[in-house]
Amino acid sequence: GAVVSQHPSWVICKSGTSVKIECRSLDFQATTMFWYRQFPKQSLMLMATSNEGSKATYEQGVEKDKFLINHASLTLSTLTVTSAHPEDSSFYICSAIDRGGYTEAFFGQGTRLTVV
Amino acid sequence: GQNIDQPTEMTATEGAIVQINCTYQTSGFNGLFWYQQHAGEAPTFLSYNVLDGLEEKGRFSSFLSRSKGYSYLLLKELQMKDSASYLCAVKNDSWGKLQFGAGTQVVVTP
Repeated sequence: GAVVSQHPSWVICKSGTSVKIECRSLDFQATTMFWYRQFPKQSLMLMATSNEGSKATYEQGVEKDKFLINHASLTLSTLTVTSAHPEDSSFYICSAIDRGGYTEAFFGQGTRLTVV
Repeated sequence: GQNIDQPTEMTATEGAIVQINCTYQTSGFNGLFWYQQHAGEAPTFLSYNVLDGLEEKGRFSSFLSRSKGYSYLLLKELQMKDSASYLCAVKNDSWGKLQFGAGTQVVVTP
């Protein structure tokens, strides 16, 4: 299968600061990437769909000004949590689609964000 | 509305078989996935069904009935390492957007 690398694996930041999370497809071109959030003992909730070269599409209830998504190249998408607060503490996971090849989406390792 | 329902938790003994059911009602359907997720880790792909019937892959099998909005994941010869959360996910569109169920925590006991 294809490899998606997410960085960092974990991050602790102070309330009010911004954090950037990177999602890279290492051996395929990801025209579409998805960002999910997962709270403890809950399922993955889709936050937004990121298409290369265009604006991200956000799910209902997700603040686009707080969760900035950039998909500037076919191998990299970034999620920036701006002015983070403790309630933003969560597990953030990206997935990527190679529309020219595999059926399934491949997931990054996830990023554990803790805001103190 | 859109719903994907699966049991919250199941317990089984090592060597046994467990069947995790998933029922769905979604606005679109382009296939159903099963993922395994260990605590604190990202999901790993187990199976994909887009047509009705059974797909077998080693100890894991997955079944789909599109007319009934129903799937199951069958885990055979359970091992301790199979203790994890199993997520049922429906692909809503051709772009790969997935809607996940809440997950079923499988506990394997000695």
